[in-house]
Amino acid sequence: EAEVAQSPRYKITEKSQAVAFWCDPISGHATLYWYRQILGQGPELLVQFQDESVVDDSQLPKDRFSAERLKGVDSTLKIQPAELGDSAMYLCASSLPGAKAGELFFGEGSRLTVL
Amino acid sequence: GDSVTQMEGPVTLSEEAFLTINCTYTATGYPSLFWYVQYPGEGLQLLLKATKADDKGSNKGFEATYRKETTSFHLEKGSVQVSDSAVYFCALGLSGSARQLTFGSGTQLTVLP
Repeated sequence: EAEVAQSPRYKITEKSQAVAFWCDPISGHATLYWYRQILGQGPELLVQFQDESVVDDSQLPKDRFSAERLKGVDSTLKIQPAELGDSAMYLCASSLPGAKAGELFFGEGSRLTVL
Repeated sequence: GDSVTQMEGPVTLSEEAFLTINCTYTATGYPSLFWYVQYPGEGLQLLLKATKADDKGSNKGFEATYRKETTSFHLEKGSVQVSDSAVYFCALGLSGSARQLTFGSGTQLTVLP
């Protein structure tokens, strides 16, 4: 069964360092999402791509976060510099073009701990 | 703005007990409603959905009915199993918002044998 791949699964870093997460969506899924899930809370959308274009990045803290999907396939989310409050699970999800609202497929996530 | 409120957890039940997890929502349009489940060490996966008022979503013995009059989408199961132990998230999605989801805070369910 096709899955959304994410790496690394776990990342521990010190504040002020740079960190990057990678996501490979299910083949053929044009829409890709990055969500952040703080412990004890629900996922919150950071950025949404349609192919290589950003559809919504209104909740992305652009002073330190960046996201790209250069060829419209895999994607990278970067944080520089990391802050203590960035400790969270970073989830990638994808969906088919024309999929109905909510039919998202999630990866297992990348857990970030900032010391 | 759009929001989802879930009953606070954690919830601990004995096997074969009845489960209800409450979920209410606030939305400006006509949302679709979802329950996602996150098993330990796994990603979120769609459990069930309902796209309009009075629809009932069901899967794996779980059910939820879209109640527009009470803006609710409560999750129920008649007899839980140990394997149902997971975190359950209620979510809404609006068709005009690029298929984004707004999630509740999640409810941790533990089922004891």
